[in-house]
Amino acid sequence: AQSVTQPDIHITVSEGASLELRCNYSYGATPYLFWYVQSPGQGLQLLLKYFSGDTLVQGIKGFEAEFKRSQSSFNLRKPSVHWSDAAEYFCAVGRTGGGNKLTFGTGTQLKVEL
Amino acid sequence: DAGITQSPRYKITETGRQVTLMCHQTWSHSYMFWYRQDLGHGLRLIYYSAAADITDKGEVPDGYVVSRSKTENFPLTLESATRSQTSVYFCASSESVFSANTIYFGEGSWLTVV
Repeated sequence: AQSVTQPDIHITVSEGASLELRCNYSYGATPYLFWYVQSPGQGLQLLLKYFSGDTLVQGIKGFEAEFKRSQSSFNLRKPSVHWSDAAEYFCAVGRTGGGNKLTFGTGTQLKVEL
Repeated sequence: DAGITQSPRYKITETGRQVTLMCHQTWSHSYMFWYRQDLGHGLRLIYYSAAADITDKGEVPDGYVVSRSKTENFPLTLESATRSQTSVYFCASSESVFSANTIYFGEGSWLTVV
């Protein structure tokens, strides 16, 4: 069965600083990987996804993520964080033929200091 | 573009009562899902449905019942609510079985069982 680990429960960065959120997955074949963002009181919004091709994926709101098969990682990055980026971020993995059943990590809460 | 709507958004109920959370999507997506979100667990799949009248269990189905008589609706029923079912419930939908398809989430239903 697939699994996802987000080792950082909370991260605090200053506005304008760079950001990297870590995600490690466990899956026997090539996974489908997703990053979602959840603002307080809201549902989840897709930031980006990887399923094949270029291992550096661009998403919305200036985010990008890099798939590294050798490290089983799919870390999310942003070069300059804005105060509005404060939210909870979830990494998720889907498997081929899995019928869209995603397995989510436990989330990373991002706080942005002004 | 209404998307996915969940109702009620907030509910307090007593132990042992039956509760139904409603989910309606306007996209005619084939796949629909119910997730619960708990601190330290991220999102866990309760049930999913590939089409009308086709449902299957997810990771944590015990204590829940679903039905899908129409493509656009996917209600989740707690037959006899327990305190451990206090959670935030998210309905989601996806266009097809392709695992890389985006899953769209509703805004959540906050359920407290006292």
